[in-house]
Amino acid sequence: QLQLQESGPGVVRPSETLSLTCTVSGGSISSGYYWGWIRQTPGKGLEWVATAYYTGSKYYNPSLKSRVTISVDTSRKFFSLNLFSVTASDTGLYYCARGDENLYGDYVTWYFDLWGRGTMVVVSS
Amino acid sequence: EVVLTQSPGTLSLSPGERATLSCRASQSIYNSFLAWYQFKPGQAPRLLIFGASSRVRGVPDRFSGGGSGTDFTLTISRLEPEDFAVYYCQQYGSSPPLTFGGGTKVEI
Repeated sequence: QLQLQESGPGVVRPSETLSLTCTVSGGSISSGYYWGWIRQTPGKGLEWVATAYYTGSKYYNPSLKSRVTISVDTSRKFFSLNLFSVTASDTGLYYCARGDENLYGDYVTWYFDLWGRGTMVVVSS
Repeated sequence: EVVLTQSPGTLSLSPGERATLSCRASQSIYNSFLAWYQFKPGQAPRLLIFGASSRVRGVPDRFSGGGSGTDFTLTISRLEPEDFAVYYCQQYGSSPPLTFGGGTKVEI
């Protein structure tokens, strides 16, 4: 059974880069599903951050696009998120999840059928 | 951006009772592309419903989803002790970004 497990630093200093990894076990990361990050912050609640496909397609929340990158490492079966120039408002619980593809016009969109338990990130000096 | 408003914020019920949760969108959701999730502390969130009314395999049939356009509901016909949790709706039927509602807590 496929499982997702987030890992991260726990605490990040303001203005630095947050790097998170999601390890995929029990299944293939090249299976035709998408892979995404969703966060839950006190200020905005649940917020979609980014989604990627193993072939290299990447999609970002427009509100975060200038500060975030997502990547999929098919050989090592994990995907990762980098969030640059963090501030206190980036403090929250970060989830990785598997996305099921749907099409809205020219857009690819997803619901998330499998999630990790989340990793807590605190931005503090 | 589509805003999803969930109501009520908290639903206080007893086991065996019926729970009706509402999710209202700021604009019509294409093709009823709406999902419902169950969140419990320390656990991985669980997808319950997608496409507004399609139940995920393995989800008990006491969970049902309905609605279209801008108004959607999640109904739990008879609450079991394990159903007390926070429930979120998410729309994926608009231009980016996909968005989530603010959640409804179902408490004993």
